[in-house]
Amino acid sequence: GESVGLHLPTLSVQEGDNSIINCAYSNSASDYFIWYKQESGKGPQFIIDIRSNMDKRQGQRVTVLLNKTVKHLSLQIAATQPGDSAVYFCAENYSGAGSYQLTFGKGTKLSVIP
Amino acid sequence: EAGVVQSPRYKIIEKKQPVAFWCNPISGHNTLYWYRQNLGQGPELLIRYENEEAVDDSQLPKDRFSAERLKGVDSTLKIQPAELGDSAVYLCASSFSERTDTQYFGPGTRLTVL
Repeated sequence: GESVGLHLPTLSVQEGDNSIINCAYSNSASDYFIWYKQESGKGPQFIIDIRSNMDKRQGQRVTVLLNKTVKHLSLQIAATQPGDSAVYFCAENYSGAGSYQLTFGKGTKLSVIP
Repeated sequence: EAGVVQSPRYKIIEKKQPVAFWCNPISGHNTLYWYRQNLGQGPELLIRYENEEAVDDSQLPKDRFSAERLKGVDSTLKIQPAELGDSAVYLCASSFSERTDTQYFGPGTRLTVL
């Protein structure tokens, strides 16, 4: 099927290695951040989130790091597996003034080499 | 628990024809979102519902797009008439409330306008 990953930055990693996907967000007032994984032909799937009062959060094989000083978010995937191949989007949300709009970044395509 | 359900999964129409997409959110989720995702890009919000009320439709092209969520559960997004530039994936997402930021996405409807 048609890929959502066309014309996106691509990261290729060897199976078993760790992956780091980076994201620069735009709004310094954003207070909630989410990483989504999107496989071809599917909707975005929630991976992990972090609020602005934290700088690190860990899940199963994934870690999100937040650096508010430089407005940078990263997703670390440990022991990358072929099933991790997908497009990864970061999203930011600013909940002030009653606004709950999620703004997505451009996405990074992760390719895992068996 | 069933996820967000969307239909149809694929739709091919000629320009100037009408088209409609249907979404059934996760049971108990009061907030429903419609997004459009162009190839190689992240989703962009079209409209957000809190129960049956459209609380954010600022990005919805109102000259040709309309949406409804009459009973606060299912929702329909309509385009009439469709244009070539409307070709995209239309994603529906839901969350428990506007204060629960995690949004869960459906598989999307891929629209092709010829």
